[in-house]
Amino acid sequence: AQSVTQPDIHITVSEGASLELRCNYSYGATPYLFWYVQSPGQGLQLLLKYFSGDTLVQGIKGFEAEFKRSQSSFNLRKPSVHWSDAAEYFCAVGAGQAGTALIFGKGTTLSVSS
Amino acid sequence: KAGVTQTPRYLIKTRGQQVTLSCSPISGHRSVSWYQQTPGQGLQFLFEYFSETQRNKGNFPGRFSGRQFSNSRSEMNVSTLELGDSALYLCASSPEGTGAGELFFGEGSRLTVL
Repeated sequence: AQSVTQPDIHITVSEGASLELRCNYSYGATPYLFWYVQSPGQGLQLLLKYFSGDTLVQGIKGFEAEFKRSQSSFNLRKPSVHWSDAAEYFCAVGAGQAGTALIFGKGTTLSVSS
Repeated sequence: KAGVTQTPRYLIKTRGQQVTLSCSPISGHRSVSWYQQTPGQGLQFLFEYFSETQRNKGNFPGRFSGRQFSNSRSEMNVSTLELGDSALYLCASSPEGTGAGELFFGEGSRLTVL
């Protein structure tokens, strides 16, 4: 069965420091992978997605993620965190077929300290 | 272009009642998906509608139902409410459907069951 694991429930990073949020997935074939962000009281916004090709993908707000098939991972990174990045981050996997649901991880809450 | 609109944003019901939530997708999007978000279970897929047909359904009891209209607007209904139905219900739209592309989320309808 498909699953997504985000090992870190809560992470605190100093403003200006680098960030890496971990995501591991379980899926039989090459999955479609997504990172979404949710600010308090808001819906989810797509940061980036991986379908195929270059394993390093760039997203909005300066985020990037790297797909590593051998590790079944799709970690999210940002070189320098801003206070406005404080939010909850969700990794998700899809089968790549229309009509199939996204499977989300439980999320990682990011706090940014000054 | 207007985003995904969900109404109502907040509502309080008592056990045994029923509730109907509404979602207006982005213009031109034919797929509408519903997700339930709770602190314990995270984001769980409820169902997806595409061109007025339910294309996929998650593992929820029959008390949860939905429909889509010819203008792509969607409603979901929960009958015989239970305390455990308290959650944020998120609607998402996309041109093609889940799994294959980006989902655009609304801000959600927060249901409290007393």
